[in-house]
Amino acid sequence: GQNIDQPTEMTATEGAIVQINCTYQTSGFNGLFWYQQHAGEAPTFLSYNVLDGLEEKGRFSSFLSRSKGYSYLLLKELQMKDSASYLCAVRSSGGSYIPTFGRGTSLIVHP
Amino acid sequence: NAGVTQTPKFQVLKTGQSMTLQCAQDMNHEYMSWYRQDPGMGLRLIHYSVGAGITDQGEVPNGYNVSRSTTEDFPLRLLSAAPSQTSVYFCASSYSRANAGYPTDTQYFGPGTRLTVL
Repeated sequence: GQNIDQPTEMTATEGAIVQINCTYQTSGFNGLFWYQQHAGEAPTFLSYNVLDGLEEKGRFSSFLSRSKGYSYLLLKELQMKDSASYLCAVRSSGGSYIPTFGRGTSLIVHP
Repeated sequence: NAGVTQTPKFQVLKTGQSMTLQCAQDMNHEYMSWYRQDPGMGLRLIHYSVGAGITDQGEVPNGYNVSRSTTEDFPLRLLSAAPSQTSVYFCASSYSRANAGYPTDTQYFGPGTRLTVL
């Protein structure tokens, strides 16, 4: 099976930088996803990492270390609209190929 | 493309009633899945399908049935609703392993169905 851990809640100030960590344990790692979910809405795709290193996409970056079972999502120049839940999901090479989700991190951005 | 659509958006049931949550996608995705989302629990996989005619159980399948007669549709049936099934249900679809390729192998989610069982 898979075990995915991320903090339950984080707070940050508008304009600042925040890093949301995700640690995982899985057999046969085959990719890690980050999704954003605003209250009352469906999750939407943010980033995908399958190799070690940093993937940058505008204000959002995602990092992966497969040897450490560790990823983080970095949000720069925070805006109020970034207040949302951020879901880490891990896919394994065996079985269904359907990702398993962590419990999500609720990010609150203050003015 | 409409993407992934779900109906109904909201539903209230009494204990013991049955109903079907509908899910459809127009992206010709092979993989489809159903999740439930409860406060503090994240998204938990109920059932999934890797193609028409093929379904399998996820993490929390009890009390639910699925079928996949076409590529487009993947309905979720509640056989005898219980208060523990009060939740938000999301359907998702993606390309299969054979056709997957970054960045196209992400899952696309429907808008969700908010179900209350009294």
